[in-house]
Amino acid sequence: GENVEQHPSTLSVQEGDSAVIKCTYSDSASNYFPWYKQELGKRPQLIIDIRSNVGEKKDQRIAVTLNKTAKHFSLHITETQPEDSAVYFCAADPYIYNNNDMRFGAGTRLTVKP
Amino acid sequence: DSGVTQTPKHLITATGQRVTLRCSPRSGDLSVYWYQQSLDQGLQFLIQYYNGEERAKGNILERFSAQQFPDLHSELNLSSLELGDSALYFCASSGGQGSDYEQYFGPGTRLTVT
Repeated sequence: GENVEQHPSTLSVQEGDSAVIKCTYSDSASNYFPWYKQELGKRPQLIIDIRSNVGEKKDQRIAVTLNKTAKHFSLHITETQPEDSAVYFCAADPYIYNNNDMRFGAGTRLTVKP
Repeated sequence: DSGVTQTPKHLITATGQRVTLRCSPRSGDLSVYWYQQSLDQGLQFLIQYYNGEERAKGNILERFSAQQFPDLHSELNLSSLELGDSALYFCASSGGQGSDYEQYFGPGTRLTVT
């Protein structure tokens, strides 16, 4: 089955700096790569996702890049703000119509210091 | 609010007991997923149902079982509970309005086994 590795496990940045979180996956059949943000005691919420036919996607201050050949994808957050502090999870899914098998990375605890 | 509901919010029980967690998906979503999140751990995929049928199985123990009913709500049954089963259990749904890919998470049920 799919195995997703995520690095780093913790990340501390100064407000305004950029943050980068990297993930690798093992199953070449994976074709959907979402990123979730989970604040303390709350549900995971999707912040951005990318499909395997796209190399990069951007939404305001966040962007995701995908390298299918190398089987890795990354989350980039620019101009970080204290409210970006949370745990971020990457995931990979060999999605077939209505048949998911999503596997998550272990998470990255991001702290943005004001 | 994601539109996914879970009950109960909290559950405290003793080792060896059996509990049932309930999930109602977003209106129109046909798929339901169950995840386990232990303290400071990532999200472990347990099982997926689509329109009443089991579609994908992850790291679900034999002591655990799930089902999805004709009205699309789902239940996760945990039996012969052990201390290590203490965790946050999330339900997610997808397949309705918008992207088939995106999973919407419920608020979770926190299970404590004493």
